[in-house]
Amino acid sequence: QVQLVESGGGLVKPGGSLRLSCSASGFNFRDYYMTWIRQAPGKGLEWIADISSSGRSISYADSVKGRFTMSRDNAKNSVSLQIDSLRAEDTAVYFCVREREYTARFDYWGQGALLTVSS
Amino acid sequence: QSALTQPPSVSGSPGQSVTISCTGTSDDIGSHNGVSWYQQPPGTVPKLLIYEVRNRPSGVPDRFSGSKSGNTASLTISGLQAEDEADYYCSSYTSSNTYVFGTGTEVTVL
Repeated sequence: QVQLVESGGGLVKPGGSLRLSCSASGFNFRDYYMTWIRQAPGKGLEWIADISSSGRSISYADSVKGRFTMSRDNAKNSVSLQIDSLRAEDTAVYFCVREREYTARFDYWGQGALLTVSS
Repeated sequence: QSALTQPPSVSGSPGQSVTISCTGTSDDIGSHNGVSWYQQPPGTVPKLLIYEVRNRPSGVPDRFSGSKSGNTASLTISGLQAEDEADYYCSSYTSSNTYVFGTGTEVTVL
C-alpha cells in the first residue's frame, strides 16, 4: 500500500533553517509528481510546492518563493523541503502528498510533520 | 494567489442535502477542470473526495457529488450522515501552474 512518511519537524528559532524529508513506498515513485501542503494550527490547507516526476520542474506558492526549496531523489524514493529564514508564520503541520499530474488531485497524504518556529 | 472562497460553515439534519460553494477566478476554477475536494474530520489527515470537478475515487460514496459553473465549484452531500461531520476544502489548479485551496467549510450534522 502507498505510504508517505515525513520526518525532520521540530522546534526552530526564527531566522533558522530546517529540512523536511518524506520517504515514499508502495508505488512507482519516479512516475509521480509530489507536493508539499501545510496547515497552520487551527487553520486551512495551503499548497506550498510541487515537483515533477523527473525533478526538472518545480513550482512554488508566491508566499514561500525564495525561502523554500523542494527536491527529490528518485533513487531513494524521497522528497525534501529545505526551509530557510524561518518565520513564526511557518509554524504548521507539513504534509507530503502524492499528486496525480493530469487530473490535478492529491490522492495520498502522509501523516504530517509539525514545525514550530518560536524563540 | 488568493485562497478560494468557501462559506465558513454549513449544517443540516441527517438525511438532508447540503451544498458547499467554492468561488475562485478566471485564473483558476474558471479556466481549469482541475478542481478537487477534500474531507478532513477533526484530528485526521485530509482525504480526497472528488477530482476533476465531478469524479469520485473508488470507495467514496455516491452521496458526494461535484459540479462547476463559471468561476464557482460546488460539493453536494446528499443523505447527510453523522460521519460526514468534518472540514471540507476545495482546490483548483491555476494558470500559474500552481494550486490554490479554499478557505474551508465546517459541516455540522444537527
